[in-house]
Amino acid sequence: GNSVTQMEGPVTLSEEAFLTINCTYTATGYPSLFWYVQYPGEGLQLLLKATKADDKGSNKGFEATYRKETTSFHLEKGSVQVSDSAVYFCALLNYGGATNKLIFGTGTLLAVQP
Amino acid sequence: NAGVTQTPKFQVLKTGQSMTLQCAQDMNHEYMSWYRQDPGMGLRLIHYSVGAGITDQGEVPNGYNVSRSTTEDFPLRLLSAAPSQTSVYFCATGLNEKLFFGSGTQLSVL
Repeated sequence: GNSVTQMEGPVTLSEEAFLTINCTYTATGYPSLFWYVQYPGEGLQLLLKATKADDKGSNKGFEATYRKETTSFHLEKGSVQVSDSAVYFCALLNYGGATNKLIFGTGTLLAVQP
Repeated sequence: NAGVTQTPKFQVLKTGQSMTLQCAQDMNHEYMSWYRQDPGMGLRLIHYSVGAGITDQGEVPNGYNVSRSTTEDFPLRLLSAAPSQTSVYFCATGLNEKLFFGSGTQLSVL
């Protein structure tokens, strides 16, 4: 079956530090991969996506590359800000069914200190 | 332009009580869904609907009922609340990865 595994948090960093949040997946076929972000008190928002192997998704300074050989989709940012403090979810979606359902990871809390 | 509106934001119930979590969207999306979010378990799909009059079960449907009489509304009913249903509930609309989430309902069942 399909599943997503994320590194456990919380991840605590100082402002301007480099961020990596690991995500690996198990899936049949060729899924699309996503990162969602949940700011305090809000619902999830799509942060970035990649739809095929070697694609790089990017948004707001965050990047993730779809690595089929290692079944990974790690989230990175070169210099985090306090405003990046949130919970980050990795997710996958296999298209082709009548109702496509996202499979979410468990989420990783990022806390950025000034 | 409210997007997805969930009410209430917080609720405390006693075991065995019933309640309805409301969800309304003004985006004219056919697809709506309910998730629960629990520590260490991410988001899990409870029920979903592909349009008015059509609902189906997700990953964790037991203990919950839904109906979809209009495109705009998709209420989630707990008929007899249990402590295991203590969670944060999110309603979403949209399709595939293009989901728009409400701000959530934090439910505690004592």
